[in-house]
Amino acid sequence: AQTVTQSQPEMSVQEAETVTLSCTYDTSESDYYLFWYKQPPSRQMILVIRQEAYKQQNATENRFSVNFQKAAKSFSLKISDSQLGDAAMYFCAYRSAAGGSEKLVFGKGTKLTVNP
Amino acid sequence: NAGVMQNPRHLVRRRGQEARLRCSPMKGHSHVYWYRQLPEEGLKFMVYLQKENIIDESGMPKERFSAEFPKEGPSILRIQQVVRGDSAAYFCASSRDRAGSEAFFGQGTRLTVV
Repeated sequence: AQTVTQSQPEMSVQEAETVTLSCTYDTSESDYYLFWYKQPPSRQMILVIRQEAYKQQNATENRFSVNFQKAAKSFSLKISDSQLGDAAMYFCAYRSAAGGSEKLVFGKGTKLTVNP
Repeated sequence: NAGVMQNPRHLVRRRGQEARLRCSPMKGHSHVYWYRQLPEEGLKFMVYLQKENIIDESGMPKERFSAEFPKEGPSILRIQQVVRGDSAAYFCASSRDRAGSEAFFGQGTRLTVV
């Protein structure tokens, strides 16, 4: 079974600075998807960024980018120019690309605090 | 285009009562997933349904929990004879098809068992 590990329960960053959130995963599959979700206090799960395992290029969405290291099974999220609105729980998630298995496997999350 | 709608947002039940959680997927989405989030934890997969079919229920507890997604109407997650350990946030997500499409989440239902 696949597992996702987020080793940082809490992180903090100064406004306008850069922070990196760590995520490692364990799988025997070669084709899969990886995601970062943001959960603000409203509880809404918001997709931040996604990466297909077959793509070598790291995904980027505005101030959010990932460092995908397939051999190391590592998928970190970098937030540049941090804003107060970035404060939230961040969850790393894995999904198999094999047919019949659409479920997301989540890590336990990292609580990000942004200091003004 | 409305997002995934879950209701109620908050539900309080006494031990032994039944809880019914509803999820209306986004327009055009025929795949629904239910997840449970315990305090200080990530989301845990429960069940994956398509219209009138359960595709994967590997995360569902064997007893008291059931889910359906009828041809018409919302998906329902039903918990019979609730216990305090059922207190959690329950999230629904929907997607358009299985080919790697994005799943969109609702805002969740927070169930409190007293």
